[in-house]
Amino acid sequence: DAKTTQPTSMDCAEGRAANLPCNHSTISGNEYVYWYRQIHSQGPQYIIHGLKNNETNEMASLIITEDRKSSTLILPHATLRDTAVYYCIVRDYGGATNKLIFGTGTLLAVQP
Amino acid sequence: DTGVSQNPRHKITKRGQNVTFRCDPISEHNRLYWYRQTLGQGPEFLTYFQNEAQLEKSRLLSDRFSAERPKGSFSTLEIQRTEQGDSAMYLCASSLFGDSNQPQHFGDGTRLSIL
Repeated sequence: DAKTTQPTSMDCAEGRAANLPCNHSTISGNEYVYWYRQIHSQGPQYIIHGLKNNETNEMASLIITEDRKSSTLILPHATLRDTAVYYCIVRDYGGATNKLIFGTGTLLAVQP
Repeated sequence: DTGVSQNPRHKITKRGQNVTFRCDPISEHNRLYWYRQTLGQGPEFLTYFQNEAQLEKSRLLSDRFSAERPKGSFSTLEIQRTEQGDSAMYLCASSLFGDSNQPQHFGDGTRLSIL
């Protein structure tokens, strides 16, 4: 089973920041937080990942709370093309299991 | 930079037929994964390879399913005697071994429809 909890859906106005929350209260010390998104009829697209520090790349920022029990993915200026299902996944670093365990994600609808 | 390539993109077949899908990973990636995704659900792990060795298989991978990666490059997933429940999107992903937190990169999948 997925170790994360996300809202089923969210709306965001075009041009505004989209903040997508994720709860992972049972995360262990060796587990990273990964974010992927999936646009309709495409495969999941990697966005960003982090362990305990906040991370930023050209697509998004990832804010992880100090206790690591939750995180927020931030799309700073959402566009219509950001409409997708966003998945938050925790994955063991260095463990024998290499699979990603997806939940049902958050459907982000960016409104014009 | 070529990403993960999957062929065919769509496959329609009659129940009971055999089907085979192909995945070409990113060229330097030595880990390759197969996932299955049904409507409204997130992808579910099926199996993964490190080079040509198949290292893990999910219980979802029944004996009608077989995956190979003979030369450690491309991979094939075959489903024998297809059933209605096999209708799904089959996704392939690849990653680079050496640093376990390297992300997996996905192809756009093969959508299988069983008539």
